[in-house]
Amino acid sequence: QITLKESGPTLVKPTQTLTLTCTFSGFSLSTSGVGVGWIRQPPGKALEWLALIYWNDDKRYSPSLKSRVTITKDTSKNQVVLTMTNMDPVDTATYYCAHRRAPQRYFDYWGQGTLVTVSS
Amino acid sequence: SYVMTQPPSVSVAPGKTARITCGGNNIGSKSVHWYQQKPGQAPVLVIYYDTDRPSGIPERFSGSNSGNTAALTISRVEAGDEADYYCHLWDSSSDHPVFGGGTKLTVL
Repeated sequence: QITLKESGPTLVKPTQTLTLTCTFSGFSLSTSGVGVGWIRQPPGKALEWLALIYWNDDKRYSPSLKSRVTITKDTSKNQVVLTMTNMDPVDTATYYCAHRRAPQRYFDYWGQGTLVTVSS
Repeated sequence: SYVMTQPPSVSVAPGKTARITCGGNNIGSKSVHWYQQKPGQAPVLVIYYDTDRPSGIPERFSGSNSGNTAALTISRVEAGDEADYYCHLWDSSSDHPVFGGGTKLTVL
């Protein structure tokens, strides 16, 4: 059974760096084809993909956020970490991590999400 | 990057059929997936590869994709189907996932 869970601060101040951790079970990020992505959703708005990391450490970033976002993995801990610099109130959103298994071209399992508010 | 357009809202009476569209340039040549998202919950995959249903998703949910429009059809709509629905695909040119803007389905 695949599960993912996001963790991190619920409140960050403008200009600070956000660090979120996705802890998962039921699969390994050392298995060929496996990837974990981050997707966010501002309140009342649509889903927005942020970043994705694969089993071979290949990384993909949304072009609009590439300069601010970094994704890393710790295979031994079954964790994926997202860092986002220079946070702004417009970055207030629920942040989700999700599983992908290539060649499937969709996210099949999602975490419950974590709401991050950016405010002074 | 690739852009997909969804109507902001669709309303339907219980027992009727709801059709939610997702428009994009030659989207029929791509594989489209659909998520259902209820308030306060994570998205749930309801259709993948245009027409396939994951296990546990009722047969009332179906999908189609041709030309410039993909669609999610929900037959015999129930109150519990009220949710936001998002189309999704993997842009092959950039190898990036893309989501539509979402459609709020209201059951009257």
